[in-house]
Amino acid sequence: NAGVTQTPKFQVLKTGQSMTLQCAQDMNHEYMSWYRQDPGMGLRLIHYSVGAGITDQGEVPNGYNVSRSTTEDFPLRLLSAAPSQTSVYFCASSYNGLLTSSGANVLTFGAGSRLTVL
Amino acid sequence: DQQVKQNSPSLSVQEGRISILNCDYTNSMFDYFLWYKKYPAEGPTFLISISSIKDKNEDGRFTVFLNKSAKHLSLHIVPSQPGDSAVYFCAARKAAGNKLTFGGGTRVLVKP
Repeated sequence: NAGVTQTPKFQVLKTGQSMTLQCAQDMNHEYMSWYRQDPGMGLRLIHYSVGAGITDQGEVPNGYNVSRSTTEDFPLRLLSAAPSQTSVYFCASSYNGLLTSSGANVLTFGAGSRLTVL
Repeated sequence: DQQVKQNSPSLSVQEGRISILNCDYTNSMFDYFLWYKKYPAEGPTFLISISSIKDKNEDGRFTVFLNKSAKHLSLHIVPSQPGDSAVYFCAARKAAGNKLTFGGGTRVLVKP
């Protein structure tokens, strides 16, 4: 049981290049999400998905695309990288979203992908 | 506009003493609050949570207090241990929402 797996762990891009950050989970979680972590800003939600074929925007979606063709995978695409996208990116998942009457479903995070855009 | 704020970026405490981490929020629609702990080069891990219908939740050495009128929550760690040295994030969820809003984090250093 690998949990949430993110690849690559490190990436350096030049401005204008494109790339995809991969996220896969083997826990049959319906809910998946992408966050970026910047100093002093905490974790900010980029995009999320409540199930295959369904995605929605978070706080900071501009410059990022996502798709959810399978339950297991939730890739994050940067179409034209900018220095402002230099950050650490975290993918997180939970069994059934954040909606529950008995308590908050806990997010399981991946180990992160550090991206530098020059 | 940050809806969840952790005003202390860092905290240093002696082993065995109490660590108190604070978090303020502005949105009265938040109904659930969580604390996550993060070690370097790892993803955050869940620590403890509290519903807005409670004012206290305890789990071993960790206790979270919620003051709804002040829109303030705090995490107490007693006694603090060197392994508690990490960054702690508070997070909040709106009722019927699918988004977590995180604070900026507080870095805790527990000195032996």
